[in-house]
Amino acid sequence: AQSVTQPDIHITVSEGASLELRCNYSYGATPYLFWYVQSPGQGLQLLLKYFSGDTLVQGIKGFEAEFKRSQSSFNLRKPSVHWSDAAEYFCAVGPRGFQKLVFGTGTRLLVSP
Amino acid sequence: DAGVIQSPRHEVTEMGQEVTLRCKPISGHNSLFWYRQTMMRGLELLIYFNNNVPIDDSGMPEDRFSAKMPNASFSTLKIQPSEPRDSAVYFCASSLTSGNDDNEQFFGPGTRLTVL
Repeated sequence: AQSVTQPDIHITVSEGASLELRCNYSYGATPYLFWYVQSPGQGLQLLLKYFSGDTLVQGIKGFEAEFKRSQSSFNLRKPSVHWSDAAEYFCAVGPRGFQKLVFGTGTRLLVSP
Repeated sequence: DAGVIQSPRHEVTEMGQEVTLRCKPISGHNSLFWYRQTMMRGLELLIYFNNNVPIDDSGMPEDRFSAKMPNASFSTLKIQPSEPRDSAVYFCASSLTSGNDDNEQFFGPGTRLTVL
C-alpha cells in the first residue's frame, strides 16, 4: 500500500537558519512526489514536484527537494528561512496523472526571531 | 483567475442536520477532488470526478456522504445526517487532466465544518 511518512510533527527554526523537512514514502510503482504548503486558514499550494529527471528539483519561494530512491525519501530544504515560511508542509505521493494523491500528516514549521 | 471557490467557509450545525458544501472549480479544469482534513487522519481523498463523472469514491466514509457534479462548474458534498465525528475541514481541488504528467491540483480555501 502506498503511504507517506513525515516523522516530524513540529519543527522550530530560527529566522535565517537552514531548513530540512523529512519525507519518506512507500509506493509500488514509480512515484510522483510533491510538497505542498498550507498557510493558516488557506488551502494547499504546490511548492514543487518530481516525476523524472534531475533528482534535485527547485520550487517556488526558494525551496528545493531531493529525491533519493535508495532511501525512499523526498526531503524538502531551504537555505535560509523567512518568518513568512511559518506554515504546515505536506509531502504527497501519487501515480502518473496525479489523480489519487496520498498525503503525509504534515509538519508544522515555526520560525523564531 | 479566481481560483477554486468553496462555500461556506465555516459551517456550524447540530447533529442530525443535513450539511451541503459547495465548490466551484477553476474554469476549464476537468477534474475535481473532495478532501477531508482532520487532526487524527490528516488529509484524505474522499472522491474525485473527471468530466463530471465520479471516478473513484472509495474514500467516502459511509452512505451518509454523497457528492455530485451536475456540470463542469459546480460540485456539492452532502452529509445527511451529520454527526460530530464529521467535524473537519473539507477541501475541494481541481485540475486540468491531460495526457501529460503535469496535472497539478489547485486547492480551494476549505470549509471548516463543526457538528455539535
